[in-house]
Amino acid sequence: DVKVTQSSRYLVKRTGEKVFLECVQDMDHENMFWYRQDPGLGLRLIYFSYDVKMKEKGDIPEGYSVSREKKERFSLILESASTNQTSMYLCASSQGGLDSPLHFGNGTRLTVT
Amino acid sequence: EDQVTQSPEALRLQEGESSSLNCSYTVSGLRGLFWYRQDPGKGPEFLFTLYSAGEEKEKERLKATLTKKESFLHITAPKPEDSATYLCALSRGSQGNLIFGKGTKLSVKP
Repeated sequence: DVKVTQSSRYLVKRTGEKVFLECVQDMDHENMFWYRQDPGLGLRLIYFSYDVKMKEKGDIPEGYSVSREKKERFSLILESASTNQTSMYLCASSQGGLDSPLHFGNGTRLTVT
Repeated sequence: EDQVTQSPEALRLQEGESSSLNCSYTVSGLRGLFWYRQDPGKGPEFLFTLYSAGEEKEKERLKATLTKKESFLHITAPKPEDSATYLCALSRGSQGNLIFGKGTKLSVKP
């Protein structure tokens, strides 16, 4: 089975801190994604990557950046955390192609105080 | 603009009481419609992909169907372990870039 592992289950950070969320997948997938999930808003795409060192903006990239130095690892960076970035962050990977499902990690619950 | 709307927001069923969840969508060209299940505290888990109107897929007590404007997730004789949030999503490109609906939270009481 594909495993997508997010490094932290819960994180608490202060406003203005630089925050790194890490995600690793073990199935040699080409594509990796970062979503955030909020009550009443559902899942929204932040950034995605089709290849190493490659990134594309999703629907809500403001205040975030990403890094993909190795195929299996995709990092989400909050340059200066703000309270409106308190959310559940979900990482996903896929093999690519129309019929390839997304495989999600179990999420990181980030609280910014 | 591509859009996905799910209804109802929440559904409470008795064990064995069959029902359907709705996902209506607007898209310029359908590339794939996906159903996921999400349990509390976990990431979404893939269930089905549908590509064209008239297509149907089944898995245990679940059957997904697709028309040109809607998809339905039919749940036959549900059990308490079917309780979860069910998410519908549209593919926006060739690389698995999905737009999600807000989900239907299903509760099945014994």
